Amino acid sequence: RKEVEQDPGPFNVPEGATVAFNCTYSNSASQSFFWYRQDCRKEPKLLMSVYSSGNEDGRFTAQLNRASQYISLLIRDSKLSDSATYLCVVMRQAGTALIFGKGTTLSVSS
Amino acid sequence: GAGVSQSPRYKVAKRGQDVALRCDPISGHVSLFWYQQALGQGPEFLTYFQNEAQLDKSGLPSDRFFAERPEGSVSTLKIQRTQQEDSAVYLCASSLVFIGGTEAFFGQGTRLTVV
Repeated sequence: RKEVEQDPGPFNVPEGATVAFNCTYSNSASQSFFWYRQDCRKEPKLLMSVYSSGNEDGRFTAQLNRASQYISLLIRDSKLSDSATYLCVVMRQAGTALIFGKGTTLSVSS
Repeated sequence: GAGVSQSPRYKVAKRGQDVALRCDPISGHVSLFWYQQALGQGPEFLTYFQNEAQLDKSGLPSDRFFAERPEGSVSTLKIQRTQQEDSAVYLCASSLVFIGGTEAFFGQGTRLTVV
């Protein structure tokens, strides 16, 4: 079993749609959680950190459920510019490796 | 520049050749990570440094892969006797501290093609 698992998609949605991505992780000792975004042939960039209380950044909402070892990302009012691969990222333990999921591809169309 | 710099950007190697990939992290960044990303896959963890100490090398796929960061700044990933399955983009990332939710900044990667 992979340490971080995501549905690879692709998710094809129209502009304005709401889309949700899910991610599970296997290491219960994992400390920190993130969503990164990667555009085609570009390097990954931090989208947002994920906290147990849930956090929101504009149209993006991230949730963490430690008991279920489950992370989610919700994108509201999708824009064409949201088209990218979204990577779920887990830090194994404090100060150690960042482990990436395979990524979920989102394509937003007009 | 202020970002993570990797060189070369592209490398074509003949099977069996040794290659060295360089990463210049952001100045002052303590943590440095190497990843391998195959087409259509997420970045696969290779190894992690905290300053000059290699704290985790569990992701290195074989003893042909070797990484170093002798002065706690620039890092080199070396691949000996390259094989076709080594073809991938090799990404380097650095972060300021090593505890908690500090952002990791990535370089643009080195695209290695083994022919």
